[in-house]
Amino acid sequence: EVQLVESGGGLVQPGGSLRLSCSASGFNVRGNFMSWIRQAPGKGLEWVSLLNSGGSTFYATSVKGRFIISKDNSKNTLYLQMNSLRVEDTALYYCARDDAFDIWGQGTMVTVSS
Amino acid sequence: QSVLAQPPSASGTPGQRVTVSCSGGASNIGSNSVNWYHQLPGTAPKLLIYDDHRRPSGVPDRFSGSKSGTSASLAISGLQSEDEADYYCAAWDDNLDGVVFGGGTKLTVL
Repeated sequence: EVQLVESGGGLVQPGGSLRLSCSASGFNVRGNFMSWIRQAPGKGLEWVSLLNSGGSTFYATSVKGRFIISKDNSKNTLYLQMNSLRVEDTALYYCARDDAFDIWGQGTMVTVSS
Repeated sequence: QSVLAQPPSASGTPGQRVTVSCSGGASNIGSNSVNWYHQLPGTAPKLLIYDDHRRPSGVPDRFSGSKSGTSASLAISGLQSEDEADYYCAAWDDNLDGVVFGGGTKLTVL
């Protein structure tokens, strides 16, 4: 079964760091575009970052310079390193496959608060 | 304020046909494919339409997508109560070098 499972969310203070993981099963992250998308409580979807099959990375303006997307093909896992976190980064973070986001995980909650 | 503009709400009665619009610009909808997602309360979004009008396997043909210029539309025919959800459009934006989403449309089945 094709599946994505996110983990690593939690409560962190402003200015802190967190690393999210997205474990894939049923397909290889190696040959796929992979993305992170977030949803603040009660709000709409916001794309965060994309890693294409060639290794190029793309970021939303709101996270550029603070977040880093990467993957470990041997572990079939996508990551999002989040640094200098702000209150406005509080959201449910989803990972998704392909540039059409055809498969989504269930999300992991990140709360940035003092 | 979202780059892609969607009406915040839409409604219809069972069996009716409803459409949700998504308006953008030359750098996004005008030059790239549009995808549509729906999100039932408390669940992850699900791909409904990709490449403007294509349906993933398992999506009923009651759902259809179209695009003209810098606008796209999602049509739902034979509306059912389980279609009550939030609907989002998305497209790559060449100027921003990233994906942009619409603000979402909450569909209510009366």
